[in-house]
Amino acid sequence: GGIITQTPKFLIGQEGQKLTLKCQQNFNHDTMYWYRQDSGKGLRLIYYSITENDLQKGDLSEGYDASREKKSSFSLTVTSAQKNEMAVFLCASSMSREGNTLYFGEGSRLIVV
Amino acid sequence: TQTVSQSDAHVTVFEGDSVELRCNYSYGGSIYLSWYIQHHGRGLQFLLKYYSGNPVVQGVNGFKAEFSKSDSSFHLRKASVHWSDSAVYFCAVSGGNTGKLIFGLGTTLQVQP
Repeated sequence: GGIITQTPKFLIGQEGQKLTLKCQQNFNHDTMYWYRQDSGKGLRLIYYSITENDLQKGDLSEGYDASREKKSSFSLTVTSAQKNEMAVFLCASSMSREGNTLYFGEGSRLIVV
Repeated sequence: TQTVSQSDAHVTVFEGDSVELRCNYSYGGSIYLSWYIQHHGRGLQFLLKYYSGNPVVQGVNGFKAEFSKSDSSFHLRKASVHWSDSAVYFCAVSGGNTGKLIFGLGTTLQVQP
């Protein structure tokens, strides 16, 4: 079986700082996703990528950048961290776009001080 | 526009009870429906999914879900819950080839001894 590794597990930064979360998968999946999870609000899609160097905006892309430099990795950058952005960020991957079963990482918690 | 509604934010049952977690969706075309489970502090794990065929789908750990086109529903059921089933359950829908999974807000299941 494969695994999705998110680093760091906790990311602490200051307001206004640029912060980056990383995600690696060894499933050899084509598609990767970044979701934001806020308490009581479920999961909201930030960015996804269907192949290396591809980027597609989700519903919550403003204030974020993403990068898919190789098939196995997908990084997410908070361009200017704000205190109301403290949430858990979940990375996922799937084999294809249609009927996709997503495999999730354990999550990265962003803390803005 | 795809939407997913989970009407119960919290469900509490006793060990050995049966449980039904409700999910309703709206979408005009062909869709994939799925359920995911999230234990505290972890990422989401796939439980089961439906696209076509038999409307009753069997998943892992005794979970099953039934698709109803007339009710626009995909409720999750388990005949006899265990304390380890305590978690948050997310219903999700994806349609066509968008590659995006839209999640409900989740239902927290608490199984008491």
